[in-house]
Amino acid sequence: QITLRESGPTLVKPTQTLTLTCTFSGFSLSTSGVGVGWIRQPPGKALEWLALIYWNEDKRYSPSLKSRLTITKDTSKNQVVLTMTNMDPVDTGTYYCARVVVAAPVFGASDVWGQGTMVTVSS
Amino acid sequence: EIVLTQSPGTLSLSPGERATLSCRASQSLSSTYLAWYQQKPGQAPRLLIFGASSRATGIPDRFSGSASGTDFTLTINRLEPEDFAVYYCHHYGTSRTFGQGTRVEIK
Repeated sequence: QITLRESGPTLVKPTQTLTLTCTFSGFSLSTSGVGVGWIRQPPGKALEWLALIYWNEDKRYSPSLKSRLTITKDTSKNQVVLTMTNMDPVDTGTYYCARVVVAAPVFGASDVWGQGTMVTVSS
Repeated sequence: EIVLTQSPGTLSLSPGERATLSCRASQSLSSTYLAWYQQKPGQAPRLLIFGASSRATGIPDRFSGSASGTDFTLTINRLEPEDFAVYYCHHYGTSRTFGQGTRVEIK
């Protein structure tokens, strides 16, 4: 069974750095063709893709947030970490991590998601 | 960066009716990299369709997807009570982006 679980602070202050951890099971990030990405959703609003890291360390970022994001992986711990700097109240929302499989048939769709973690940015 | 525009914003239908949701891309994209997700309140998105028209594992066959140029369509035949939710299209090519969503609500 494939599962992903997001963890991190529920409240951060403006200008602080947010660090979120995605801990997963049922697959390995050392397997060719596998990746883990992050997506967020402000309350009542649409999904927004943030970042993705692949088994081979290839990393992709949202162009609009690239300067604030860093994604890393710890294969031995089955974890992916996302850091976002200079947090602002508009960054409030639910943050999800999801598995990506490059190979057929999904060719890169995010097929399994975590339940998400709510982050509030407020002083 | 590709922009995905979904329409309508809200669709009000009765159980048993057909829902037709649209997703238009701002530029040409391969249908291989277009997915649809369903999201219910308080839940994570669930993959319905990948490659524009392939159903994900366990998805009922009343859900179908199609593509024509830069226009992508999700059709839900014979709406069931559990189908009332928000639906997002998603491009997952070199860049990744989501549409703004279509809410399917009970009329």
